[in-house]
Amino acid sequence: AIQMTQSPSSLSASVGDRVTITCRASQGIRNDLGWYQQKPGEAPKLLIYAASSLQSGVPSRFSGSGSGTDFTLTISSLQPEDFATYYCLQDYNYPRHFGPGTKVDIK
Amino acid sequence: EVQLVESGGGLVQPGRSLRLSCAASGFTFDDYAMHWVRQAPGKGLEWVSGISWNSGTIGYADSVKGRFTISRDNAKNSLYLQMNSLRTEDTALYYCAKDMRGSGGQFDYWGQGTLVTVSS
Repeated sequence: AIQMTQSPSSLSASVGDRVTITCRASQGIRNDLGWYQQKPGEAPKLLIYAASSLQSGVPSRFSGSGSGTDFTLTISSLQPEDFATYYCLQDYNYPRHFGPGTKVDIK
Repeated sequence: EVQLVESGGGLVQPGRSLRLSCAASGFTFDDYAMHWVRQAPGKGLEWVSGISWNSGTIGYADSVKGRFTISRDNAKNSLYLQMNSLRTEDTALYYCAKDMRGSGGQFDYWGQGTLVTVSS
């Protein structure tokens, strides 16, 4: 099974900061990767699919890049509503695996 | 408007069974794959199982393989998860999620979840 790792596991940032989160797959997955945002008490929300495609309705400050085994999610200018936990998910094959998550909180 | 409504959760003893349901509306159900994802209290997301639009491709997490069975009824716009031999570690909020594609992609819509508690 393909395992997913994320770094960092948590980070503290200020409004307006540029934030980058990394996701690594244990083997190549082409660009079959998505990013999700989850706030406490809410269901996850899809931000990015196919590694770099912005889901409809998601602000353009979110962007994704990468292919093969290494991927990044970038928030260009952190907003108050962006403080949340972020997960990556590979859709290359079954079984699917989420990354362990990256919690972004207020510095 | 896409809606996914899970039901069937509750308190169950270890070793017993439970069947979750997900009622879908607002989209052409039989065009898309569907998934179950769970989240234990205070923990991260864990993909549980997925099924293609025509039930031709099914996958399970290693942690549930042989105990859980996913199915769908396209005539009823419904997704199911039969959970047998439940363990305390199966305690979680179970989400139903819609795939972006018929055979497997990312999850663009999620329900609000149904809570399963396995305890004696």
